[in-house]
Amino acid sequence: DTGVSQNPRHKITKRGQNVTFRCDPISEHNRLYWYRQTLGQGPEFLTYFQNEAQLEKSRLLSDRFSAERPKGSFSTLEIQRTEQGDSAMYLCASSFSGTREQYFGPGTRLTVT
Amino acid sequence: KQEVTQIPAALSVPEGENLVLNCSFTDSAIYNLQWFRQDPGKGLTSLLLIQSSQREQTSGRLNASLDKSSGRSTLYIAASQPGDSATYLCAVEEDSNYQLIWGAGTKLIIKP
Repeated sequence: DTGVSQNPRHKITKRGQNVTFRCDPISEHNRLYWYRQTLGQGPEFLTYFQNEAQLEKSRLLSDRFSAERPKGSFSTLEIQRTEQGDSAMYLCASSFSGTREQYFGPGTRLTVT
Repeated sequence: KQEVTQIPAALSVPEGENLVLNCSFTDSAIYNLQWFRQDPGKGLTSLLLIQSSQREQTSGRLNASLDKSSGRSTLYIAASQPGDSATYLCAVEEDSNYQLIWGAGTKLIIKP
């Protein structure tokens, strides 16, 4: 097991374009989380899944954002009609419901020009 | 609403010194508290996790303490090294939900 992986690691896009990020959690973990981090700040919670069910969404997750976790395995986070304010590091984490310790991936850095 | 604060925002010390980073939280109904390290432009590395029933955890030169009733945690780094230079973040997970609520971090610089 190599830990949580995220792809791509970096994404540069023009304003108005759609982008999709992928997260592969640790295989036995049933919970998966998305966070967003801007420069100089701590991460902010976006959403989390237990298996394939999306159980909580932050108010930060506007209608331009959508996340899925088909079959309770990998997850995708899509941002439609990107804006410059979406530029941030998008972090994915996973945990096992028993221990609840969250393990983080390396993140996807999004730059919207 | 839970709020997490880290003081100081930045700290610069000579190599070899022992140091303490502080984290405070406003609601004591937490499930656990985690300390993370983040290198510039990189993801998060978990350092220590303290369950709400625990008072401290140790890993190598790191020791984290938790005082739930006063809403405080400290991260003690012994015999600091230049490789310890990074941003250190604390995060709490509340009893009632599973998201982590984060402080803004302490940027630590260890001078050779």
